[in-house]
Amino acid sequence: KNEVEQSPQNLTAQEGEFITINCSYSVGISALHWLQQHPGGGIVSLFMLSSGKKKHGRLIATINIQEKHSSLHITASHPRDSAVYICAVYPNTGNQFYFGTGTSLTVIP
Amino acid sequence: DTAVSQTPKYLVTQMGNDKSIKCEQNLGHDTMYWYKQDSKKFLKIMFSYNNKELIINETVPNRFSPKSPDKAHLNLHINSLELGDSAVYFCASSQWGANLDEKLFFGSGTQLSVL
Repeated sequence: KNEVEQSPQNLTAQEGEFITINCSYSVGISALHWLQQHPGGGIVSLFMLSSGKKKHGRLIATINIQEKHSSLHITASHPRDSAVYICAVYPNTGNQFYFGTGTSLTVIP
Repeated sequence: DTAVSQTPKYLVTQMGNDKSIKCEQNLGHDTMYWYKQDSKKFLKIMFSYNNKELIINETVPNRFSPKSPDKAHLNLHINSLELGDSAVYFCASSQWGANLDEKLFFGSGTQLSVL
C-alpha cells in the first residue's frame, strides 16, 4: 500500500471548468508538495504546504493536517493545464519524499 | 540559468553497456536525489545525498552507483545495462529536510532506452 493516494487517477474536463485533485496520506508529515509534469517530461514544483492554503494564479492548494488530506484546485481550467499532477509528502520522521501515483488531467477546448 | 541541469536528455544504448547521467544544481541546496519514473509515471527514490554523503540507498541493483564529487553534483553511473533499466531518470535537489519554505527542484529528466 502506498503512503500517498491520489484521486482521481484520470480526469477529463472542458475548458473553463473548476477542477479538484485530491491527495490523502497515511503518515505524519512536515511538508507536502504538489508537482506538475507536462507531456514531454519536465517536473515543476507548484506548491509546498505545511498548513492552510496557498494560491498562485488560478491554482489553489489546501491542506488539512488533522485529516491528512490535501487538495489542488484549478479555476477556469485551460488546455495548457493538461498535465500529470503529483502529490509528494515529506514525513516527520523520514528522510525522503513519498509520491502519489499522479493524476492525469486533460482539458478539452 | 537552469537550476538543476541533467544530461543527456535522451540516452539510447545496447544491453550490457555502461553509461553515466550527470546532474548539477546551482541553488546551493544540501540535498540531491535520483528518482526513477516508470511507465505509469510513478516516481521512486533511488538515492539521496546530503552534502556529498549517501543518506538513502533504496533497493537498487548495485550496477547503479551514484557519485557526488561535491554538494552541487550527483552523477549516476550504470554498469551492464539491462532492458528493465529503460525508464526516465530524474535528478532533484532541495534544502536538507525540506523544512524550509523550499520547493523540490527537478532536472529535465533523462529518457534511457536499452535495446
